Amino acid sequence: AQKITQTQPGMFVQEKEAVTLDCTYDTSDPSYGLFWYKQPSSGEMIFLIYQGSYDQQNATEGRYSLNFQKARKSANLVISASQLGDSAMYFCAMRGLIQGAQKLVFGQGTRLTINP
Amino acid sequence: NAGVMQNPRHLVRRRGQEARLRCSPMKGHSHVYWYRQLPEEGLKFMVYLQKENIIDESGMPKERFSAEFPKEGPSILRIQQVVRGDSAAYFCASSIRQGSSYEQYFGPGTRLTVT
Repeated sequence: AQKITQTQPGMFVQEKEAVTLDCTYDTSDPSYGLFWYKQPSSGEMIFLIYQGSYDQQNATEGRYSLNFQKARKSANLVISASQLGDSAMYFCAMRGLIQGAQKLVFGQGTRLTINP
Repeated sequence: NAGVMQNPRHLVRRRGQEARLRCSPMKGHSHVYWYRQLPEEGLKFMVYLQKENIIDESGMPKERFSAEFPKEGPSILRIQQVVRGDSAAYFCASSIRQGSSYEQYFGPGTRLTVT
């Protein structure tokens, strides 16, 4: 079975600071993908970034980067130079290649609040 | 290229009524997934469908819930005899093909309220 753990229910950060959202995972699949989604108050799920388990380099997408530490089974999201519009719920998710290859397994989420 | 469409966006049903949620995947996508999000929780997988086939329904409640993805038309998630505990946001996602690296694109969700 796959499991995602996000241990920070809420985080408060000053605008323009960097923020790291924690995510640890557990899986027996040898190959898997890790995802981060943003859910603003309007409710939609916005894809942010993807990391494959065999990717040699950490994924980056603009201000988002994924700090992937395979041995520790962690996939933390780093947001640089935070903006007020970054205030939202953030979900870490994973999908295995072999077992349950299609379904995404989500963590409980972290509510990020950016203060001006 | 239109994204994943879901309707209605908000649905109110009384206990015992039926709820029908519709999902039109992105153009060219033949894989559809339904997820449920209870208040203050993450999304939970319900069912994975391809055209005319249910591939994985391991997350579907055993009773009252059903899903289909016909050859023509949108995917439908049907909840019979709704109860208060069915109140949640229901998200549909689609992907172009299967595989762990293929992104699932999410629709805006349907917020179901059972009174």
